Amino acid sequence: DSGVTQTPKHLITATGQRVTLRCSPRSGDLSVYWYQQSLDQGLQFLIQYYNGEERAKGNILERFSAQQFPDLHSELNLSSLELGDSALYFCASSVSGVPDSPLHFGNGTRLTVT
Amino acid sequence: DQQVKQNSPSLSVQEGRISILNCDYTNSMFDYFLWYKKYPAEGPTFLISISSIKDKNEDGRFTVFLNKSAKHLSLHIVPSQPGDSAVYFCAASEYNNNDMRFGAGTRLTVKP
Repeated sequence: DSGVTQTPKHLITATGQRVTLRCSPRSGDLSVYWYQQSLDQGLQFLIQYYNGEERAKGNILERFSAQQFPDLHSELNLSSLELGDSALYFCASSVSGVPDSPLHFGNGTRLTVT
Repeated sequence: DQQVKQNSPSLSVQEGRISILNCDYTNSMFDYFLWYKKYPAEGPTFLISISSIKDKNEDGRFTVFLNKSAKHLSLHIVPSQPGDSAVYFCAASEYNNNDMRFGAGTRLTVKP
């Protein structure tokens, strides 16, 4: 158990809809990362937060947004969903948020857009 | 752009033999490299790492080798065990940039 909790585990929704994925980081970790894994693809970095502030941005679409709250949990909002957004979305956390700090991953949220 | 590449989608080895998983990268600014292991229905878990100032790091049965001139790293597992069967991801980052880049993964199957 990594200590990172992601909810929900599965989500099925229709095109054009909006969903929110939630992540609770490991106790004591200040940094949260979001990754997207499409079928047979690697983990694509979306965005990172550290102690409530955005620290790094990757290949995140404008239809997607995220935030980290004062209690350090994070939410990833996906809107105007398209079929191609179907993927596994992972949240990860680390203590310091610096690149040499290993990430601890949750078990992911599987999003299916129909 | 794929800055971290794992060109072998799968690898099968016999129990007790050595498993060698390879990873290539294109960004010469990467200075920290990690391997993660992923079982089905779970998130990736950290396995071993190496910084660019080293060329080898060992942890039990797992050893990571880094060849900076070739922009290549490899993970050696010896002896391989059936429980090592998983998808292995190579990842890299540069100190001034927080987005850790992952390869597409290699599925390792260790046959009893």
